[in-house]
Amino acid sequence: DAGVIQSPRHEVTEMGQEVTLRCKPISGHNSLFWYRQTMMRGLELLIYFNNNVPIDDSGMPEDRFSAKMPNASFSTLKIQPSEPRDSAVYFCGGGINTGELFFGEGSRLTVL
Amino acid sequence: AQRVTQPEKLLSVFKGAPVELKCNYSYSGSPELFWYVQYSRQRLQLLLRHISRESIKGFTADLNKGETSFHLKKPFAQEEDSAMYYCALRRWGGADGLTFGKGTHLIIQP
Repeated sequence: DAGVIQSPRHEVTEMGQEVTLRCKPISGHNSLFWYRQTMMRGLELLIYFNNNVPIDDSGMPEDRFSAKMPNASFSTLKIQPSEPRDSAVYFCGGGINTGELFFGEGSRLTVL
Repeated sequence: AQRVTQPEKLLSVFKGAPVELKCNYSYSGSPELFWYVQYSRQRLQLLLRHISRESIKGFTADLNKGETSFHLKKPFAQEEDSAMYYCALRRWGGADGLTFGKGTHLIIQP
């Protein structure tokens, strides 16, 4: 298994543009989490899904952020419109129920 | 609300010296505690979880409920231990997301 796969690995965009980050979890994992990592705030949980259903999105910073999980093998995190303060590394992770979380390598977003 | 505090942003020790990375937590229920490690520009990886009571790469951590701490220790640091270390908490038996501390950057000097 290739593990959790995230794309793109790096994205540089201009303020106001739409950004879509993608995640393919490990097959068989039923939970999926999106985290944002910044120097100032560390790792923040944005949203998590269980069996493709959003369970807690209280960490999503603003309405500009949205996440979907149309099926067990794919999730997206969208930012529209993007702002410079959204610059961060976004991690996707998943697991099985109460077990270990496995993370992807992250998507480094820079908004100019 | 749950909170994880890692008081040291940066910890620098010499190779062969003992290492202790501090972690304190605040949680009203029964917690499950973890340590994750992130080597330079790599993905987060699980290092330890308190229920397994294992020693991984020479690291150990004991949950002290009285002091609400879960400090990470290693008796003899190695250069390859240089990395970011994150302490994390989750509701016991829960499938919720982990609450992470802000991390400690461990640097092992030769």
